[in-house]
Amino acid sequence: QPVLTQSSSASASLGSSVKLTCTLSSGHSNYIIAWHQQQPGKAPRYLMKLEGSGSYNKGSGVPDRFSGSSSGADRYLTISNLQSEDESDYYCETWDTDTRVFGGGTKLTVL
Amino acid sequence: EVQLLESGGNLVQPGGSLRLSCVASGFIFSSYAMSWVRQAPGKGLECVSTIIGRGENTYYAASVKGRFTISRDNSKNTLNLQMSSLRAEDTAVYYCAKLSGGYIENSSDSWGQGTLVTVSS
Repeated sequence: QPVLTQSSSASASLGSSVKLTCTLSSGHSNYIIAWHQQQPGKAPRYLMKLEGSGSYNKGSGVPDRFSGSSSGADRYLTISNLQSEDESDYYCETWDTDTRVFGGGTKLTVL
Repeated sequence: EVQLLESGGNLVQPGGSLRLSCVASGFIFSSYAMSWVRQAPGKGLECVSTIIGRGENTYYAASVKGRFTISRDNSKNTLNLQMSSLRAEDTAVYYCAKLSGGYIENSSDSWGQGTLVTVSS
């Protein structure tokens, strides 16, 4: 089954950009993933679905500041013009014929 | 607007049982697969079970297989999770999640607010 690897933490300054990475395990580099945001004390929120080609589809109401891209087994979430409310945990998710898995999550701190 | 409302979370003793429910609205419930995803205190997300739109196929994480049973009542737009032989490590917030299609090979695209299950003596 696929495994997703994420850095445990990241930080960036208010108004800057940050690129978070989710890496698919060997043999699964072409898998589609989804990105989810979890603000402190809240339920997760779906951000987008991201293909290996780099094509992505965002959820309703997700700001234009959020975008996705891909390179090989890596899937990226880029947040531009960082706002204080972007300080959250970010999870990637993927699936197979009989399983669904999440990455360990990246805690983003906005400085 | 998609809405998912979980209920049933509670404090339960080790070895006990609990039934969680999720009432859905704002979409054609029977057309979408649904999952239960849990989050232990201070930890990440874990998908514990998924059921396809028509309900014939179900999937479980190894950590809960044989102890948890997922079901759905499409006439009542309700998703259920029957949990038995509960352990301390099952303590978590349990989220109901809608998938973007009728089968397991789809992303989660909507989440409920969660219900807390605490397993402790």
